[in-house]
Amino acid sequence: AQSVTQLDSQVPVFEEAPVELRCNYSSSVSVYLFWYVQYPNQGLQLLLKYLSGSTLVKGINGFEAEFNKSQTSFHLRKPSVHISDTAEYFCVVSETAAGNKLTFGGGTRVLVKP
Amino acid sequence: GAGVSQSPSNKVTEKGKDVELRCDPISGHTALYWYRQSLGQGLEFLIYFQGNSAPDKSGLPSDRFSAERTGGSVSTLTIQRTQQEDSAVYLCASRLAGGQYNEQFFGPGTRLTVL
Repeated sequence: AQSVTQLDSQVPVFEEAPVELRCNYSSSVSVYLFWYVQYPNQGLQLLLKYLSGSTLVKGINGFEAEFNKSQTSFHLRKPSVHISDTAEYFCVVSETAAGNKLTFGGGTRVLVKP
Repeated sequence: GAGVSQSPSNKVTEKGKDVELRCDPISGHTALYWYRQSLGQGLEFLIYFQGNSAPDKSGLPSDRFSAERTGGSVSTLTIQRTQQEDSAVYLCASRLAGGQYNEQFFGPGTRLTVL
C-alpha cells in the first residue's frame, strides 16, 4: 500500500511570485507520480507525471516537479503564478503494476492574490 | 471527441433510499475507475474495471456499494440504503489500457447529497 502527504493544505501567494507545493509519498514498491489540478467548479486535470528517466518533469501551464527518490518527495513548482492558477492541486501516486489505481494526497489549495 | 460523462450531475436523496450513478467512459477506453471526493476523506479509490477481468473492489467502503460495467462500456455505481456519510462527489475516470502508463481522464462528477 502507498500513502501521500501534502504538507500544506493552503498556500496563499501573490501574483507573479513563485510557488512550491510539497509532497512526500510512502510505498514499498515502485510507483508512478503525478500532479493533478482541479480548477473551481471543474473536473480533475493531469498537470504532469513522472514515470521514469529524468527526475525533473515539466507539465502544462509552466509547472514543473522534481522526483527525489532518496527523500521520497515530488514537489511542484512554478516560478511565477497567475490569477488563473488559483485551484486545488493533488499529488498522486500509482503502483506501477496494480491497475494504475490512484492514491491521492489531501490536496493543497492555492489562492493567488493580485 | 467526447470526454467522460457522468449523470446526474447532482442528486439529492433521503437517507435510506437507493441511488444509481452513471458513467459513460471515453469510447475505446477499456479501463474504468470510480473515486469518491468527500470533505472528511479526501479523494479515494472505490473500484476498477479492466476489460473482462474481475473488478478490483478493494476500495468499496461497505457492502451497500456495488458497481457494474455492461458491455465493457457504461458503468453504474449503486449505493443502497444511503447514509449521510455517503454525501460526496463521485468521480469516474477512464483510460486506454496497455503501455507503460496511459492517463486517466476524469468526468465532471456526480454530487450526491443525502438528507
